[in-house]
Amino acid sequence: AQSVTQLGSHVSVSEGALVLLRCNYSSSVPPYLFWYVQYPNQGLQLLLKYTSAATLVKGINGFEAEFKKSETSFHLTKPSAHMSDAAEYFCAVSRDSNDYKLSFGAGTTVTVRA
Amino acid sequence: DTGVSQDPRHKITKRGQNVTFRCDPISEHNRLYWYRQTLGQGPEFLTYFQNEAQLEKSRLLSDRFSAERPKGSFSTLEIQRTEQGDSAMYLCASSPLGPNEKLFFGSGTQLSVL
Repeated sequence: AQSVTQLGSHVSVSEGALVLLRCNYSSSVPPYLFWYVQYPNQGLQLLLKYTSAATLVKGINGFEAEFKKSETSFHLTKPSAHMSDAAEYFCAVSRDSNDYKLSFGAGTTVTVRA
Repeated sequence: DTGVSQDPRHKITKRGQNVTFRCDPISEHNRLYWYRQTLGQGPEFLTYFQNEAQLEKSRLLSDRFSAERPKGSFSTLEIQRTEQGDSAMYLCASSPLGPNEKLFFGSGTQLSVL
C-alpha cells in the first residue's frame, strides 16, 4: 500500500521568503509522487510529478521538489514566496505513472504575510 | 478545452434522501475518477472508469453508492439513503489514456446532509 504524510497542516511565510512543505511517503513499490495545489473554489491543479526520470523535479509557478529515497521524502520548495502562493497544497502517491488512484496527504495550508 | 465540470456545486439534503451528482469530463478523456474530500483531509479515491467500464471501486464506496458512465462521456454518482457522514466534497477528475498524462480535477460538489 502507498501513503504519504505531510508534516505541518499550516505554514506561514513572509512574502519573498523560502517556502518549504514537507512530505514523506511509504510505498512497497517505486512510487510516483505528485504535488497538487488547491485555490479556494477551484479544482486541484498539478504542480509537479516525480516519475523516476530525475530526482529534482521542476514544476509550475517556480516550485520544485526533490525525491530522496534514503529519507523517503518528496519535499516541495519555492525560493521566494508570492502572495498568490497562498493556497492548500497536497502531496500524493500512486503505484504507476499511468495510475491516478492517488493516495493524498492531509494537506498543508500556506499563508503569505506581506 | 472547457475543463471538468460538476453539477451541482452545492447540495443540501436531509438524512435518508437520495442524491445524484453529475460530472462532465474533458472531451475525449478516456478515464474518469471520483474522489471524496472531507474537511481537513486530502481527497480519497472512490472509483474510476475507463470509457464506460468501471474498473475499480474503493472499499470506501459502500453499497449505498453507485456510479455510472453509460456512454463513456459524462458520469453520475448516486448516494442512496444519505447519512450525515456522507457530507463531503465530491471531486471528479479526468485524464487521457496513456503514460504520463495529467489528471484534471473539477471544482467539486459540496454535499451537506442535515
